[in-house]
Amino acid sequence: DTGVSQDPRHKITKRGQNVTFRCDPISEHNRLYWYRQTLGQGPEFLTYFQNEAQLEKSRLLSDRFSAERPKGSFSTLEIQRTEQGDSAMYLCASGEGNEQFFGPGTRLTVL
Amino acid sequence: AQKVTQAQTEISVVEKEDVTLDCVYETRDTTYYLFWYKQPPSGELVFLIRRNSFDEQNEISGRYSWNFQKSTSSFNFTITASQVVDSAVYFCALSELLETSGSRLTFGEGTQLTVNP
Repeated sequence: DTGVSQDPRHKITKRGQNVTFRCDPISEHNRLYWYRQTLGQGPEFLTYFQNEAQLEKSRLLSDRFSAERPKGSFSTLEIQRTEQGDSAMYLCASGEGNEQFFGPGTRLTVL
Repeated sequence: AQKVTQAQTEISVVEKEDVTLDCVYETRDTTYYLFWYKQPPSGELVFLIRRNSFDEQNEISGRYSWNFQKSTSSFNFTITASQVVDSAVYFCALSELLETSGSRLTFGEGTQLTVNP
């Protein structure tokens, strides 16, 4: 399967804990995006990488959030000191040009 | 600021009916792209179509068709002869070209389509 993959698919954590998600894009894609989707809403843009460079960050990305793409391949999204409001689906997408292909997402539940 | 409005929150039809999902957008960009995605209960967003702002030709793909009207800033999606497997949330999205290259998608709130047997 050569689609976008994300790990884990589900994460349950207690408030105050740190969590890290991983995204493996389609191998030939140099652009990688993170979005967040809360229940009943459309996805919202968080950040964007071109190769290893993080070129755009949304105001939604507070200082508790950090994303990396160290070798221009897979990416990680870390949330420190999680809050209940962080509960959401975190979606990763990759693409070239203007198309974006999404992974299955990581559903985070903060208790 | 960009905005996408999907006024229909939920639609319920009986199998074999035709159904149209509405999408209206706002942008100041002269070049932009419009998308439709399908999100089944599994949660994965499935790409359906991309349309360039300069291409107003309607498109048909099997039972799916799209009507892009720049004059009314609308990009509507019709499913002909709907099937139970079409049941999902459908999102319309608008791309904003970033100065740093790449694009950022602005999504509507989605339309939950339920097709009953």
